[in-house]
Amino acid sequence: EVQLRESGGGLVKPGGSLRLSCAASGFTFSSYSMNWVRQAPGKGLEWVSSISSSSSYIYYADSVKGRFTISRDNAKNSLYLQMDSLRAEDTAVYYCAREGAGTLAPSYWGQGTLVTVSS
Amino acid sequence: DIVLTQSPGTLSLSPGERATLSCRASQSVSSNYLAWYQQKPGQAPRLLIYGASSRATGIPDRFSGSGSGTDFTLTISRLEPEDFAVYYCQRYGSSPLTFGPGTKVDIK
Repeated sequence: EVQLRESGGGLVKPGGSLRLSCAASGFTFSSYSMNWVRQAPGKGLEWVSSISSSSSYIYYADSVKGRFTISRDNAKNSLYLQMDSLRAEDTAVYYCAREGAGTLAPSYWGQGTLVTVSS
Repeated sequence: DIVLTQSPGTLSLSPGERATLSCRASQSVSSNYLAWYQQKPGQAPRLLIYGASSRATGIPDRFSGSGSGTDFTLTISRLEPEDFAVYYCQRYGSSPLTFGPGTKVDIK
């Protein structure tokens, strides 16, 4: 069974940093592209970043480019999101999501971790 | 960047009725890389449809997707109580992945 478990969320002051992790199990992690998607309280879904299976291709939303860094460790079956220069508008539940077996669409999602940026 | 617009914003229906949700793209979606997700309060999104019309694993056949180019539709043939939720369309396959603003299907 595919399982994705996010951790690392919490309360941080504006301008601060936080590192999110996503632990993957139940599949060959090194074979799939991964994504981070966030959802501000009461709002819709917003794609944040994607990374290919071997980290060769990395993409960011304009809203986080230059502040967030996605990475992965295939030996540890883990995905990361380093978030720097955090702003109030980064407050959201952050989900990690895996592409599907027969589709590039994010098909498997974790339960999310809440990041709150507030003084 | 491709912008997705969903209509209506809210759809009020009764169990057993048919739901038709629309997703319109500002530019043609290549390879029909269009997905639909269902999200219930406090839960992660669940993939329903990918490739505009292919049901994801385990999704009941009352959910169907159609369309191509810039106009896409999610149809729920007969609403079950568990189908009342928010539905998002998403364009994937190349950066930036984009989501529509969502359609809330609530109980009339």
